[in-house]
Amino acid sequence: AQKVTQAQTEISVVEKEDVTLDCVYETRDTTYYLFWYKQPPSGELVFLIRRNSFDEQNEISGRYSWNFQKSTSSFNFTITASQVVDSAVYFCALSDRGDYKLSFGAGTTVTVRA
Amino acid sequence: GAGVSQSPSNKVTEKGKDVELRCDPISGHTALYWYRQSLGQGLEFLIYFQGNSAPDKSGLPSDRFSAERTGGSVSTLTIQRTQQEDSAVYLCASTLFGNNEKLFFGSGTQLSVL
Repeated sequence: AQKVTQAQTEISVVEKEDVTLDCVYETRDTTYYLFWYKQPPSGELVFLIRRNSFDEQNEISGRYSWNFQKSTSSFNFTITASQVVDSAVYFCALSDRGDYKLSFGAGTTVTVRA
Repeated sequence: GAGVSQSPSNKVTEKGKDVELRCDPISGHTALYWYRQSLGQGLEFLIYFQGNSAPDKSGLPSDRFSAERTGGSVSTLTIQRTQQEDSAVYLCASTLFGNNEKLFFGSGTQLSVL
């Protein structure tokens, strides 16, 4: 069985602060895929990143970065120098090899205040 | 269309009525998913289609829920005899093959059962 835990329900920061969203997962498979999605107020989930279990390199994309630690089963997401447009709900998700569906965490609501 | 389209965007119904929610996936995508997002909750998997077949209906909450897909394209999620606990955002997603790929989501249908 899969499980994704996002322990932070809500995070509120002031613009330009950094914010880190935690994601811890459980799976019995050795091959799996981790995802982050952003859900802005408009409601449509937007794909941010997919990482497979064999690639532990950290990734940076603009102000976004991801830290994948297999040893602690975590895939954390950091927004550097946050902006008001970053305000959204962020979901972490997991799928096992050959699986067709994603299991989502409960989401973390990020509010960035001007 | 360019993205996943869902209709209606909002639906208000009375308890006991039937509702139909429609999803038009990205052209050429063989895999289609329905998820449900209740207030403050993560995304709950409902059903998965590969072509017109539904190999996994395990997430449908009760026999009041059903879904079909025709022509390998449009899908309809039907809820019969709606209950107040059915109130949620129903999200549709599609992907090319359905194997550990990123999902493309629609904006969802906000269902309110009075």
